[in-house]
Amino acid sequence: DVKVTQSSRYLVKRTGEKVFLECVQDMDHENMFWYRQDPGLGLRLIYFSYDVKMKEKGDIPEGYSVSREKKERFSLILESASTNQTSMYLCASSWRARAEAFFGQGTRLTVV
Amino acid sequence: AQKVTQAQTEISVVEKEDVTLDCVYETRDTTYYLFWYKQPPSGELVFLIRRNSFDEQNEISGRYSWNFQKSTSSFNFTITASQVVDSAVYFCALSEYGSGGGADGLTFGKGTHLIIQP
Repeated sequence: DVKVTQSSRYLVKRTGEKVFLECVQDMDHENMFWYRQDPGLGLRLIYFSYDVKMKEKGDIPEGYSVSREKKERFSLILESASTNQTSMYLCASSWRARAEAFFGQGTRLTVV
Repeated sequence: AQKVTQAQTEISVVEKEDVTLDCVYETRDTTYYLFWYKQPPSGELVFLIRRNSFDEQNEISGRYSWNFQKSTSSFNFTITASQVVDSAVYFCALSEYGSGGGADGLTFGKGTHLIIQP
């Protein structure tokens, strides 16, 4: 079975903290993605990666960075968390470009 | 630029009714891919279908069917004889071919919240 696992389901962090969201996939997929989901806005792409150590900005990269040191793991980093980064974060992977993506269960991050 | 519009924010029907979720997209590419995903209350997006721009054949999978019409840039999703378990948020998404290289990502519509009442 396809499996994308996000390290936390719920997370509460303070403003200014450095936050790491971890995502692991066990399908040997080349591509991995981070989206955020907000009410009324749908899903928006933050960053994606098509290979180890490769990354590309999505539509809303400001305030975020990513790391992909191993093929199966893709981390989203909030360098200095702010309240407007309170959101649901979804990680996904796909085996090639334009193929269907498989999603993790999501991390609901609250920044206080 | 690409854009996906799901004009229906929320739909509520009684169980066993048929319901159609609309999706209209914009793209300048001739090669592109369209997707539907389901997000139940648990939160995890579930892949339903992927269709490329050269395949306009309608598809049926059990109670689910999809109608792709390039002439109107629409990719609508119909659930026949709806059930309470169909209650979820449904997203339509678009991926263009060859834009920017690499993996790119999906452009999602804002979703339609479908409520099936018993």
